[in-house]
Formats: sequence, C-alpha cells, structure tokens
Amino acid sequence: DTGVSQDPRHKITKRGQNVTFRCDPISEHNRLYWYRQTLGQGPEFLTYFQNEAQLEKSRLLSDRFSAERPKGSFSTLEIQRTEQGDSAMYLCASSERGINQETQYFGPGTRLLVL
Amino acid sequence: LAKTTQPISMDSYEGQEVNITCSHNNIATNDYITWYQQFPSQGPRFIIQGYKTKVTNEVASLFIPADRKSSTLSLPRVSLSDTAVYYCLVGDRDAGNMLTFGGGTRLMVKP
Repeated sequence: DTGVSQDPRHKITKRGQNVTFRCDPISEHNRLYWYRQTLGQGPEFLTYFQNEAQLEKSRLLSDRFSAERPKGSFSTLEIQRTEQGDSAMYLCASSERGINQETQYFGPGTRLLVL
Repeated sequence: LAKTTQPISMDSYEGQEVNITCSHNNIATNDYITWYQQFPSQGPRFIIQGYKTKVTNEVASLFIPADRKSSTLSLPRVSLSDTAVYYCLVGDRDAGNMLTFGGGTRLMVKP
C-alpha cells in the first residue's frame, strides 16, 4: 500500500454514460497525476496538478475528459459519454517536489469497462 | 523526452540474479534514470533511481556507465514474487513532468 487510494477499484458502464473516479493522494504531496493504461501497454500520462492548479494535459485527454483537484487534496477524473475505447485502467499518482527527481507513488487504479 | 528501449520479456529461475538492460541513447544532462515494477492489477511501484555510476538499495542495484546511454537493473536472487513488468524511465530532474513509460520488460521467474 503506497498511501494513494482510488475509488472505485472497478467500474462497468454502458457506452454513453458518464463516470467519475476519485483519487486520494498521500496527504503531504502537492503533485497529483492521472495516467491511463491499456492491456499490455505501459501507463500513458493524462494530466497533472500542482496543488489545485492543472498544469499540463495530454492530447489524449479529449474534451470528454475533465479532471479537478478543488482544494489541492483529492482529485476527480470524469469521463462523459463513455466510449468502448475508454476501457482501461486509470491510475493516479502523487509526489512531493524534492531536491532530486521526484518519486511518484501510484494508487491501485480504477479498472473501467465500457460495454 | 529520452526514449528508452528494453527487452520485451525475460525468463529466469528462482535464486538467480537477473539483469535487465535499458538503452537511452538520447538521455539529456538533467535526466535521471528510474525503474518501476508493476504487478498485474496494481499500479507501478518505484524500485530505484540513479544519475550515474552505481546505486544500491534493499531491493535492487542500478548500474549506469559513464556515457549514461544505458543502464542495468540488477535483481539479486529473484523469487517467484519478482515476476512482474519492469519499466525503465528517464526524465528531467525538474520534477513536475509526467513519466513516460515504454512497454516494459516482462520478467517471468520460474521455480
């Protein structure tokens, strides 16, 4: 257990529905990341927050995706009008800026299946 | 971002030392080398990080030659529980950028 939690762990939805995932980072970490991982591939970066500010978004993050971190603590990732291609593991990671390159601590992920 | 190349898969037996080499020919001056481990249905877990020469912790060793164009993760005396995917990443020390994962190396440890 890294200290990063994600909820739910699994989600099955029908195409066209909206889904929302939650990530609770390690409490003192000011940086939070979302990644997506499909079967057999490495995780792909989606977006990144420093405190409550969303500083970077991948081109993978279409306009159907939105992420928030309202108080600089937990974060939510919402997917609107889900498509079958959205089926993947959604991973959250948190880190704290340090002297050396930061270490990102990953949560267990939310596995999404869109039918 | 520097691209990394590592073997798709490796097999080993319990008790053996496993060395996984990663190529990163375009590594930049500020880039660090980091290795993550991932078990099925879990998020990646940090193993080790280094900049040059050798780094050792309780889990693994990381060997980085002087030109830094490659690195080798060494796992001593592997066990069945070390069966996982191992990712090599390089990234700027100015934190805040995303991690760029390649396909990783699938290590299978056999009894």
